[in-house]
Amino acid sequence: DAKTTQPPSMDCAEGRAANLPCNHSTISGNEYVYWYRQIHSQGPQYIIHGLKNNETNEMASLIITEDRKSSTLILPHATLRDTAVYYCIVDNDYKLSFGAGTTVTVRA
Amino acid sequence: DADVTQTPRNRITKTGKRIMLECSQTKGHDRMYWYRQDPGLGLRLIYYSFDVKDINKGEISDGYSVSRQAQAKFSLSLESAIPNQTALYFCATSDKLALHEQFFGPGTRLTVL
Repeated sequence: DAKTTQPPSMDCAEGRAANLPCNHSTISGNEYVYWYRQIHSQGPQYIIHGLKNNETNEMASLIITEDRKSSTLILPHATLRDTAVYYCIVDNDYKLSFGAGTTVTVRA
Repeated sequence: DADVTQTPRNRITKTGKRIMLECSQTKGHDRMYWYRQDPGLGLRLIYYSFDVKDINKGEISDGYSVSRQAQAKFSLSLESAIPNQTALYFCATSDKLALHEQFFGPGTRLTVL
């Protein structure tokens, strides 16, 4: 059973915020939410993670709902270089399981 | 990430051949992982190692074996390659003091004819 559900694709305008949703309705109390991205066929790149609280780093912000059943990754000012497949992962033992992700295309 | 290297980067082999994919890291991390990615799909964990004497099966270990020769080296072997093992293979590392972030190598594209 898939632990997360993401839309298969989305477009975003360059310079605008990109909001990537993820549903994880069966998340357990000790599972973290992770976001990675993969540009072309390169190795995935870690973006951010969180447990309950919202998190922000230099790349993105992660908003987790109070019931933890869904989250949103926010890229505040998308650039063309942010075009990638974005993976939302729920895990509690550091062995990541990637789904199909969301293909994000940033358009000029 | 140049700190995690994989060799070879591309390999074409024939059914039944034994093949080894190698991963080296200069990050000093104790944990290493092997994943495979099939076209259009996400990554699936094959094997992982938390230190030199620790080897664990992942989600799809059948048909694969691994060797952790040193903290910095983790090799993946296909004893008798078959066409459905054609995939992109990634090695990753993580630090036991910063477990939440895994660092991935550039990948090895393997084709089994």
